[in-house]
Amino acid sequence: DGGITQSPKYLFRKEGQNVTLSCEQNLNHDAMYWYRQDPGQGLRLIYYSQIVNDFQKGDIAEGYSVSREKKESFPLTVTSAQKNPTAFYLCASSIGGGNSPLHFGNGTRLTVT
Amino acid sequence: DAKTTQPPSMDCAEGRAANLPCNHSTISGNEYVYWYRQIHSQGPQYIIHGLKNNETNEMASLIITEDRKSSTLILPHATLRDTAVYYCIVRVLITQGGSEKLVFGKGTKLTVNP
Repeated sequence: DGGITQSPKYLFRKEGQNVTLSCEQNLNHDAMYWYRQDPGQGLRLIYYSQIVNDFQKGDIAEGYSVSREKKESFPLTVTSAQKNPTAFYLCASSIGGGNSPLHFGNGTRLTVT
Repeated sequence: DAKTTQPPSMDCAEGRAANLPCNHSTISGNEYVYWYRQIHSQGPQYIIHGLKNNETNEMASLIITEDRKSSTLILPHATLRDTAVYYCIVRVLITQGGSEKLVFGKGTKLTVNP
């Protein structure tokens, strides 16, 4: 089955540690995205990538980093510089270009204590 | 960025049509309206999108007003499994010919009651 896989579903870390969230897609999509969701809120864009080896900052990129070395993979690192890292993180992909829906994974819930 | 306005919550009886409104008065001529829904602790699920014509698929219908300043998502026969938060989103083109950025608001929490 084609889709987007995020792992793990739940992640716990101590404050001050970097943590990397995995996102893999087998939809052959060019574009990939990372969103963050806080309780009762909508989604906010962290980073996006339109093509391999290229990525751009979204609205709330501070404290995060990404890489796009392979088309199917777009890992997100939450660094110790992120002041409020506890959140629900969603990865998405799309064919790219205009008029193409995003397909989302089922998210990773990160808790930092 | 074009913004959308949705009621925070709505109720619907099972088996009846659910009509979810959305205002997007600042939408530009080439911006699409997308609808997604999110069930608790899952990723958003794409429902439908349109530019200016009404659209229908197996999940729902999308009615866009002629001036494109508002739209309505219609779930023709709501079931309990349709209980979710529904997001109306206007696509924002990031770069010429590039990917879109979807700006999510808080959405409408639809509760389908038995």
